[in-house]
Amino acid sequence: GAGVSQSPSNKVTEKGKDVELRCDPISGHTALYWYRQSLGQGLEFLIYFQGNSAPDKSGLPSDRFSAERTGGSVSTLTIQRTQQEDSAVYLCASSPYYGNQPQHFGDGTRLSIL
Amino acid sequence: DQQVKQNSPSLSVQEGRISILNCDYTNSMFDYFLWYKKYPAEGPTFLISISSIKDKNEDGRFTVFLNKSAKHLSLHIVPSQPGDSAVYFCAASERNFGNEKLTFGTGTRLTIIP
Repeated sequence: GAGVSQSPSNKVTEKGKDVELRCDPISGHTALYWYRQSLGQGLEFLIYFQGNSAPDKSGLPSDRFSAERTGGSVSTLTIQRTQQEDSAVYLCASSPYYGNQPQHFGDGTRLSIL
Repeated sequence: DQQVKQNSPSLSVQEGRISILNCDYTNSMFDYFLWYKKYPAEGPTFLISISSIKDKNEDGRFTVFLNKSAKHLSLHIVPSQPGDSAVYFCAASERNFGNEKLTFGTGTRLTIIP
């Protein structure tokens, strides 16, 4: 499809397990962002990738969170030793490199930690 | 510290009338502002944006107004239609050479009454 694709759409796991969330950005978009939305909150920035530059990890809430972007395209967000407070909708967005272009979002992964 | 605030969690408007959604921000470094619309179980969809060098931007039924001195922006929808019922997020970014990570408000749920 032409939009940002995220998988899985839903993930339920037990506390303490590791999870991987995947994002396929729009073809040709060099910028990729991860956000999360906790219940009743706005979207919270997590991490940003742009081309081959070092990622901006300033939004990652703890060292249990990490992300990779392989080949400048697909990205994986990994959460290790999940905690109940990690329960949220994790959203990926992409945009062209040129400044002030709107970010296009996927439908997110709803993560529930039991 | 909430840098982007949407103080009205919900708003109901009669179909055909004007909907006005408000947003306040505290970070004077923000120079680009966006409105996103979100339906349940879907990712946010870009609606309209405005740069800090402008005070108004219009796109069809949607107009965004920016008052920099008051650090306030608003989204006007006229005439309102039932399909406009959704959660609306205000977002802002700083000029950072292409890293437009967005800071979001907590959203306003708009309900259009037929």
